[in-house]
Amino acid sequence: DQQVKQNSPSLSVQEGRISILNCDYTNSMFDYFLWYKKYPAEGPTFLISISSIKDKNEDGRFTVFLNKSAKHLSLHIVPSQPGDSAVYFCAARLDTGGFKTIFGAGTRLFVKA
Amino acid sequence: KAGVTQTPRYLIKTRGQQVTLSCSPISGHRSVSWYQQTPGQGLQFLFEYFSETQRNKGNFPGRFSGRQFSNSRSEMNVSTLELGDSALYLCASSLLAGGTTGNEQFFGPGTRLTVL
Repeated sequence: DQQVKQNSPSLSVQEGRISILNCDYTNSMFDYFLWYKKYPAEGPTFLISISSIKDKNEDGRFTVFLNKSAKHLSLHIVPSQPGDSAVYFCAARLDTGGFKTIFGAGTRLFVKA
Repeated sequence: KAGVTQTPRYLIKTRGQQVTLSCSPISGHRSVSWYQQTPGQGLQFLFEYFSETQRNKGNFPGRFSGRQFSNSRSEMNVSTLELGDSALYLCASSLLAGGTTGNEQFFGPGTRLTVL
């Protein structure tokens, strides 16, 4: 049961343009959403997060939008840079007394110079 | 401040054997989670420990077990290894047990397990 889905396995964008990575979820009990970036041979690194009570969070070039009614979130990177090329994971947290973080399968972003 | 460390980084085992992986969280972090990453499957949640107690568990068979020590270091054990257990096993630590901020996890580099 994939509760967090990233339907695009890859995305290619020109340097300087906007990258939009999408994520859909099914469980309305998720209370926190996060994006992680992963380079080869490294563990994922935290990028940005948003509480379920917000609809937007911005940090520099990165903005996450949350649409609870559509159960959809997106990560916008503006402007995209070649160093942003990595795999991006969408994640959602479930509080069941302990915390369980469910990750999507990831989207590989290629930023072309 | 040192990051999350995992040992060993690479491991080769044969079917039927067992394996123990180790994770040292960032100093002061009390929550440790384990994930399995396989191609095309993203990160699959295994379990989460906080203050030596397993608080949550993913949908993995009982062959996968873990524990956390009083210094927050954690170990994960897989018994009776199967070929399908070949994966990257990631450990992540976080500072807070709850709340709406600071919930990000800090990941180690992972242990690459190959089962032959």
